[in-house]
Amino acid sequence: EAQVTQNPRYLITVTGKKLTVTCSQNMNHEYMSWYRQDPGLGLRQIYYSMNVEVTDKGDVPEGYKVSRKEKRNFPLILESPSPNQTSLYFCASSLSRVSHEQYFGPGTRLTVT
Amino acid sequence: GDSVTQMEGPVTLSEEAFLTINCTYTATGYPSLFWYVQYPGEGLQLLLKATKADDKGSNKGFEATYRKETTSFHLEKGSVQVSDSAVYFCALSETNQGGKLIFGQGTELSVKP
Repeated sequence: EAQVTQNPRYLITVTGKKLTVTCSQNMNHEYMSWYRQDPGLGLRQIYYSMNVEVTDKGDVPEGYKVSRKEKRNFPLILESPSPNQTSLYFCASSLSRVSHEQYFGPGTRLTVT
Repeated sequence: GDSVTQMEGPVTLSEEAFLTINCTYTATGYPSLFWYVQYPGEGLQLLLKATKADDKGSNKGFEATYRKETTSFHLEKGSVQVSDSAVYFCALSETNQGGKLIFGQGTELSVKP
């Protein structure tokens, strides 16, 4: 089944404790991105990657890192999480950056206390 | 910069009622327009899309027409069902912005039997 998977689905952590949210897709997509969803703000892009070893900042990259060492994986790293990073995070992938459909993972709900 | 504005929710309707969710956009170029749907506890799924002016996207009884003159992409359905209860996001994408989707804030729809 074609899908985007994320882990963990739920995470509660404390300020400053490094964490990684994994994202994997099995559709051989070139383009992957991370979004955060906050009430009243819709989804905002954090980082994106057009292919292996090619990443770039989205609209809200501060406090996040990403890497793209393999085509299928695109982990999101929070080196020192803060409470303002409490949010619902979605990974998405598409065939290319000009493809018209992005496929979304099920989301990771992160709470930073 | 580019932006998307949706009507505020929540919207509550009775089964078989007519649905309209308004969406307007601001863009510098010629974007593609999308409606995504998020069912409870799930990621976003593409509902329909339109890539140029006067295109009509349709899926599962939902329709939206790309109106360049009014910069709008309103979502409509003639007869809603309880299973349509979800959050609906209007979004745009411009190819000169790295494939990023720009989302509206989302409109929650609740359909009562």
